[in-house]
Amino acid sequence: DSGVTQTPKHLITATGQRVTLRCSPRSGDLSVYWYQQSLDQGLQFLIQYYNGEERAKGNILERFSAQQFPDLHSELNLSSLELGDSALYFCASSVRSGQADFAFTDTQYFGPGTRLTVL
Amino acid sequence: AQKVTQAQTEISVVEKEDVTLDCVYETRDTTYYLFWYKQPPSGELVFLIRRNSFDEQNEISGRYSWNFQKSTSSFNFTITASQVVDSAVYFCALSEAMRGQNFVFGPGTRLSVLP
Repeated sequence: DSGVTQTPKHLITATGQRVTLRCSPRSGDLSVYWYQQSLDQGLQFLIQYYNGEERAKGNILERFSAQQFPDLHSELNLSSLELGDSALYFCASSVRSGQADFAFTDTQYFGPGTRLTVL
Repeated sequence: AQKVTQAQTEISVVEKEDVTLDCVYETRDTTYYLFWYKQPPSGELVFLIRRNSFDEQNEISGRYSWNFQKSTSSFNFTITASQVVDSAVYFCALSEAMRGQNFVFGPGTRLSVLP
């Protein structure tokens, strides 16, 4: 158990809908990262937050957004869902990485993931 | 641009055999970090090791060992005396300390250890 929690574990929805995925980092970790794992794209970094602020952006679609709250939990919002958004979404956390240049050099501990199925 | 290649898509071995998973990376940075993660059938990603580019010492942790060679841009992972519980997908990953705004995973190697 990494100490990172994600809810829900599974989510089934329809095209065009909007969903919110939630992540609670390990106690003491200030950084949260979101990843998408799909069969055709593999594991891709989406976005990173540090202590409430966006720090780095990867291959995140405009239909997707995220935020980190004062209690450090994070939410990933996916809207206007398409069939191709079906994937496993992981959240990870790390202690530091407040500096953008070193955003990914700390060890990231991953949550169990949320499996999203868009029908 | 940073890139990670894991040329072995799938490997099958019989229990107690040794197996090496290859990882080749590309980066223009002189300071970078390499990682290995394990994804068992249950789906979670489990951290195995983090190594920075200035530390080329090989590392051993129980049945696991890692061989980092900057000359060939490789960070290979060996499991000695494999067990069925080692069956998983293994990902190598790279982060660049100065240029990178990203964390790049390789495509993964699926290891099946047969009893």
